[in-house]
Amino acid sequence: GENVEQHPSTLSVQEGDSAVIKCTYSDSASNYFPWYKQELGKGPQLIIDIRSNVGEKKDQRIAVTLNKTAKHFSLHITETQPEDSAVYFCAARIYGNNRLAFGKGNQVVVIP
Amino acid sequence: DVKVTQSSRYLVKRTGEKVFLECVQDMDHENMFWYRQDPGLGLRLIYFSYDVKMKEKGDIPEGYSVSREKKERFSLILESASTNQTSMYLCASGGIDGTSRNYNEQFFGPGTRLTVL
Repeated sequence: GENVEQHPSTLSVQEGDSAVIKCTYSDSASNYFPWYKQELGKGPQLIIDIRSNVGEKKDQRIAVTLNKTAKHFSLHITETQPEDSAVYFCAARIYGNNRLAFGKGNQVVVIP
Repeated sequence: DVKVTQSSRYLVKRTGEKVFLECVQDMDHENMFWYRQDPGLGLRLIYFSYDVKMKEKGDIPEGYSVSREKKERFSLILESASTNQTSMYLCASGGIDGTSRNYNEQFFGPGTRLTVL
């Protein structure tokens, strides 16, 4: 099955700086890569996703890039704010499969 | 807005008790999932269901069973709770894109924090 690795496990950034979280996946048949944000006391919520026919996708201060050759994808958060502090999960789904394989999560801390 | 609700936010049970965790979604999604979340281990899939009365084992099904009698409801059952089942349990649902027939995002509930004493 698909295996997703997520690095680093914890990331601290100064408010206003950028944060980057990288994930690698193992199965080249994966074609859908979502990112979820989990705030304290809540369930994970989708913040951005990308399909394998696209190399980059942006939504305001967040962007995701995908490198299919290297089998990795990254979440970029620019101009970080305290409300960006959360746990972020990456995931991958193999084409035709309805399961997601999740990474172990990153704790992002934005220091005011 | 999609809503996934879970029957309890916090639950305390005793070892050996039978525990039911209920999940309801209001988006007519085909797929429903149960995960457990533990520090350092991320989200691990216990069971999922792609249709009424259909179920498939996930990565850690031992000690759990599920029931899906209606499309909107997916129940997780701990037949005989044990202390190592103390965890956060998350339910999710997801549909199929009508145009592309791709599976779409999963929507999560708020979670149930279960403590087994």
